[in-house]
Amino acid sequence: QLQLQESGPGLVKPSETLSLTCSLSGGSISTSNYYGAWIRQPPGKGLESLGSIYYSGSTYYNPSLRSRVTISVDTSKNQFSLKLSSVTAADSAVYYCARGSYTGTYDFFDFWGQGTLVTVSS
Amino acid sequence: DIQMTQSPSSLSASVGDRVTITCRASQGIRRHLNWLQQKPGKAPKLLIYGASTLQSGVPSRFSGSGSGTDFTLTISSLQPEDFATYYCQQSYNTPITFGGGTKVEI
Repeated sequence: QLQLQESGPGLVKPSETLSLTCSLSGGSISTSNYYGAWIRQPPGKGLESLGSIYYSGSTYYNPSLRSRVTISVDTSKNQFSLKLSSVTAADSAVYYCARGSYTGTYDFFDFWGQGTLVTVSS
Repeated sequence: DIQMTQSPSSLSASVGDRVTITCRASQGIRRHLNWLQQKPGKAPKLLIYGASTLQSGVPSRFSGSGSGTDFTLTISSLQPEDFATYYCQQSYNTPITFGGGTKVEI
């Protein structure tokens, strides 16, 4: 059974860079049918996709955050990472990593990490 | 961006009730619609993809229908473990977007 685990600081200062890593066990995203993704959820609010990455390194970023977000992959470590620069309090949220699966017709997030709360505060 | 609108935003129901949640997309998304369930303090869980395909391990009391702009999630007989928040999500176009959620309460 695939498991994903987010790791990284729970507190980030305003204007600094938020950095998180997602570690996969029991599976990988190293095939063309899978990709890694980051989704966040501010406390008490809905879900927002941040971006995704294929094992090849090909990325997609949400245009609302494109200038601030970077997603990278390290296939040798079975990990992918998120960097979000110039954070403000509005970036405080639970950050989830997820595996995206593509059937050839549909794609969906079938496995999720447990999420990690990141608070932006001085 | 494709806007996803769910209704109702919350509902009260009893065990055994039939529950229906609707999701409307701001433009046609064919059948590229997924449903997720989220319980408090937990990550979302995929229930249905492709508008109507049940994810492995999901009970058959959950079903989905629709295409184009209008979609429905139905729980045929609500069970105690189904009290949660449900989200629709479109994967037709980037950025992937989610509905605002429907909280199913006792």
